[in-house]
Amino acid sequence: SQTIHQWPATLVQPVGSPLSLECTVEGTSNPNLYWYRQAAGRGLQLLFYSVGIGQISSEVPQNLSASRPQDRQFILSSKKLLLSDSGFYLCAWMSGIGYTFGSGTRLTVV
Amino acid sequence: TQLLEQSPQFLSIQEGENLTVYCNSSSVFSSLQWYRQEPGEGPVLLVTVVTGGEVKKLKRLTFQFGDARKDSSLHITAAQPGDTGLYLCAGGNTGNQFYFGTGTSLTVIP
Repeated sequence: SQTIHQWPATLVQPVGSPLSLECTVEGTSNPNLYWYRQAAGRGLQLLFYSVGIGQISSEVPQNLSASRPQDRQFILSSKKLLLSDSGFYLCAWMSGIGYTFGSGTRLTVV
Repeated sequence: TQLLEQSPQFLSIQEGENLTVYCNSSSVFSSLQWYRQEPGEGPVLLVTVVTGGEVKKLKRLTFQFGDARKDSSLHITAAQPGDTGLYLCAGGNTGNQFYFGTGTSLTVIP
């Protein structure tokens, strides 16, 4: 069966520090992978998606970047975090019927 | 970005009551999905509807896709505390991504 792993679950980082969130998928090959950000109790904003190794599409200009170094690995990064980068970050892959999401990372920038 | 507005934004009801959540857009979608999300977790897919006018039932939950494929509703009969959560609709087309609605936070009071 397909599973998606995302870590860490929570993260507190100072302003100006770097960020690296990792997401890996098991049980499928060549998945479409996504990074979303969610404000508290609200909908999801698409940040990046990838249809293959090295292929990244960005939806909104921001302080973040993404990379896909391996087929089943998707990484969200920042060189210098801003206070506005705080939020709940979700990784997902798209199967034929819908998204399967990771358990999320709660990022607080202080 | 294709905007999907959900209403109401917040809903608090007593156990046993019925409720309806709406998802509206000015855009046409080829398919629409509903997800439920619990605090600190990723959203979980409930249903996908693809045909205008389609109705799907999942136990006490009834999902309907509008005839024009611009809107959808979720009706819950005899709500239970376990139905508590954030309900999200998401509309998609021929691309590799879905656009999420603004979310409805449901609390069912025992």
